[in-house]
Amino acid sequence: GENVEQHPSTLSVQEGDSAVIKCTYSDSASNYFPWYKQELGKGPQLIIDIRSNVGEKKDQRIAVTLNKTAKHFSLHITETQPEDSAVYFCAASGDDKIIFGKGTRLHILP
Amino acid sequence: DAGITQSPRHKVTETGTPVTLRCHQTENHRYMYWYRQDPGHGLRLIHYSYGVKDTDKGEVSDGYSVSRSKTEDFLLTLESATSSQTSVYFCAIRDQWELTEAFFGQGTRLTVV
Repeated sequence: GENVEQHPSTLSVQEGDSAVIKCTYSDSASNYFPWYKQELGKGPQLIIDIRSNVGEKKDQRIAVTLNKTAKHFSLHITETQPEDSAVYFCAASGDDKIIFGKGTRLHILP
Repeated sequence: DAGITQSPRHKVTETGTPVTLRCHQTENHRYMYWYRQDPGHGLRLIHYSYGVKDTDKGEVSDGYSVSRSKTEDFLLTLESATSSQTSVYFCAIRDQWELTEAFFGQGTRLTVV
């Protein structure tokens, strides 16, 4: 089955700097890669997703890149703000299951 | 917000007792999922359903059973709760399996003492 590895587990960046979270997946059949943000006490919410026929996608300060050959995908957050502090999950899906990474706790330092 | 309601939101139960968690949706989505979230393990899939009475196992299904008798309800049962099942449980729904977003409920915090 699919296995998703996510790094780092914790990331601290200065407000205004960029943050990068990286994931790898094992199943070459996976074709959908969502990223979720989880705030304290809440369920995860989708922030951006990418499909396997696309190499990069941007939405304002957030971008995701996908390298199918290497089975890598990454989340980039630019100009970080205090409200970006949260836990971020990557995931991969190629059938009816969605398999998640272990999460990255992002701290935005003042 | 997607119409997903988990109940109860918090529960404390004793080791060895059966426990049922409920996920109710108002979106008429075909797919429903149960995940557990634990520190250091992220979100792990327990079971999922792809239609009424159609369910399948996920990554960590031992000790859990599920049922879906109606499109809107997906029940997760711990037949005999153990302390290792202390966790936060999330339900998610998805319209189609391919290339679509899953929406999560608010979670149920279960403590087994």
